[in-house]
Amino acid sequence: GENVEQHPSTLSVQEGDSAVIKCTYSDSASNYFPWYKQELGKRPQLIIDIRSNVGEKKDQRIAVTLNKTAKHFSLHITETQPEDSAVYFCAANPRGSTLGRLYFGRGTQLTVWP
Amino acid sequence: DTEVTQTPKHLVMGMTNKKSLKCEQHMGHRAMYWYKQKAKKPPELMFVYSYEKLSINESVPSRFSPECPNSSLLNLHLHALQPEDSALYLCASSQERARRLAGGSYNEQFFGPGTRLTVL
Repeated sequence: GENVEQHPSTLSVQEGDSAVIKCTYSDSASNYFPWYKQELGKRPQLIIDIRSNVGEKKDQRIAVTLNKTAKHFSLHITETQPEDSAVYFCAANPRGSTLGRLYFGRGTQLTVWP
Repeated sequence: DTEVTQTPKHLVMGMTNKKSLKCEQHMGHRAMYWYKQKAKKPPELMFVYSYEKLSINESVPSRFSPECPNSSLLNLHLHALQPEDSALYLCASSQERARRLAGGSYNEQFFGPGTRLTVL
């Protein structure tokens, strides 16, 4: 099955700086890559996703890039704010997985210091 | 309604108890999922239901018994649990087939708030 690696496991930045989280995947057939944010004690919430026919997608301060050749994708958060502090999970969904099965990375604890 | 709801929010049970977790969604999704999540770890898939039929069982011990009585409801019956089963149990739902959806999302999984389970 798919194997998703995520780095770093922890990331501390100053408010206003940028944060980058990187993930690699093993199954070249994977075609959907969501990012979830999970605040302490809350549910994972989708913040952005990208499909394999797109190289980059942006939503305000958040962007995701995908390199299919290298099989890696990254989350970029600009102008970070303390409320961005959370655990971020990347995931991959193999093509043909009609059930929307997701393979998650191990998570990155992002801390934004005021 | 774009929410998945779960009850109860918290549950404390002894190892001899029988209890059930409930999940509900009214988004017309025909795929529903149970995940187990330990602190600061990713959600770990347990079961997947597709059109009310069990499609995936990730070798979960039989002390966890899922049930999907209709397209909106998903239950997880618990019996003779162990302390190591203490975790956050998340329910999720999605469209059954991966396809382009309005707004560009692609087979997004919507998570419920979870049930925090403690086994004594």
